[in-house]
Amino acid sequence: AQSVTQPDIHITVSEGASLELRCNYSYGATPYLFWYVQSPGQGLQLLLKYFSGDTLVQGIKGFEAEFKRSQSSFNLRKPSVHWSDAAEYFCAVGAYNQGGKLIFGQGTELSVKP
Amino acid sequence: DTGVSQNPRHKITKRGQNVTFRCDPISEHNRLYWYRQTLGQGPEFLTYFQNEAQLEKSRLLSDRFSAERPKGSFSTLEIQRTEQGDSAMYLCASSLVGTTNTGELFFGEGSRLTVL
Repeated sequence: AQSVTQPDIHITVSEGASLELRCNYSYGATPYLFWYVQSPGQGLQLLLKYFSGDTLVQGIKGFEAEFKRSQSSFNLRKPSVHWSDAAEYFCAVGAYNQGGKLIFGQGTELSVKP
Repeated sequence: DTGVSQNPRHKITKRGQNVTFRCDPISEHNRLYWYRQTLGQGPEFLTYFQNEAQLEKSRLLSDRFSAERPKGSFSTLEIQRTEQGDSAMYLCASSLVGTTNTGELFFGEGSRLTVL
């Protein structure tokens, strides 16, 4: 079955600390992988995406993610968190032949302590 | 680029009433998607269109739900005889698919439905 697992429902980090959000997927085809961010009451904004090539991808707002095929993971990282990063983060997987249909994880809520 | 626009942003209705949501995608985008998001969950795929053709519907889309994209531009999602379980955020997204299918979806801000 195709699925995305984000093991951490809620994470709290101090401002300036590093961040890693975990994402594991199960997908039959060669996956496209995405991280989206959602602020309260808002839609989803794309942070970064992986299709092929270099397994370390850079995104907006200083985020990066690393695709590890052997571990079926696509973890999101940021070296220094800012208070404005507090939001809900969603990992998603899709494939070229799936019509753009994405399967999302249940999300990780990030809180940032001053 | 005005982004994906959804209306209304919030809708409160009584059980049994019909509701309709509208989505205006990014103008040059040929694909349009509807997702549903309940509290504490990630978005779940409902259906998508390529131009005016509805190409796939999820099993989540019961007979009470109907979506249209009559001219390949804006889309409507209608829910008939609403139930309390329909309370959710309904998200619309669009993408441009051509010779390079990047699969990137651009989301609107959503339409939140509350069924009393």
